[in-house]
Amino acid sequence: TAGITQAPTSQILAAGRSMTLRCTQDMRHNAMYWYRQDLGLGLRLIHYSNTAGTTGKGEVPDGYSVSRANTDDFPLTLASAVPSQTSVYFCASSEAGDTDTQYFGPGTRLTVL
Amino acid sequence: GQNIDQPTEMTATEGAIVQINCTYQTSGFNGLFWYQQHAGEAPTFLSYNVLDGLEEKGRFSSFLSRSKGYSYLLLKELQMKDSASYLCAVRDGDYKLSFGAGTTVTVRA
Repeated sequence: TAGITQAPTSQILAAGRSMTLRCTQDMRHNAMYWYRQDLGLGLRLIHYSNTAGTTGKGEVPDGYSVSRANTDDFPLTLASAVPSQTSVYFCASSEAGDTDTQYFGPGTRLTVL
Repeated sequence: GQNIDQPTEMTATEGAIVQINCTYQTSGFNGLFWYQQHAGEAPTFLSYNVLDGLEEKGRFSSFLSRSKGYSYLLLKELQMKDSASYLCAVRDGDYKLSFGAGTTVTVRA
């Protein structure tokens, strides 16, 4: 099985442009998450969704939005990118939001110039 | 906010043992995870502790003391492929994961 896929693998984006990072899982997991990983700071939660149709804010949600129209997909949108959003973005999923282990996708490396 | 501390770097020799410590102060506690992350790759799950004590999985063991806010990951019989970052993560009272910055382990021949 594919598990979790993310697209694109990497992207260079001009400041002020919009961008949607895609995340799809085929494990029928209920919960999905978006993290960003920056050197020296570890993974930080941006947004999450415990089940299709619901979303919540994590530690660093400003400048990002998400939607969860179905179980499999959890896109992350940057409406107007800024250089501080340069990072590696990881999508993750777990069977249930509260109690289960999270499994991570391969990541998207985003550079905002 | 959450506070999770682990050393930045550790170096060890192939075949040796390395212990990575993690201390935490969080709003509530619902388990502690260890992940392995090779350079340029996704984190992969290694272990989970929710009760005090030692969990052993082959060459890897993880220990938890909730009263001390302390965990360690023990890597035995180190191999070159164990060179990676090791991430300590705590699930807090809201069931959200907070991660430490990671410990980069370098295994030398």
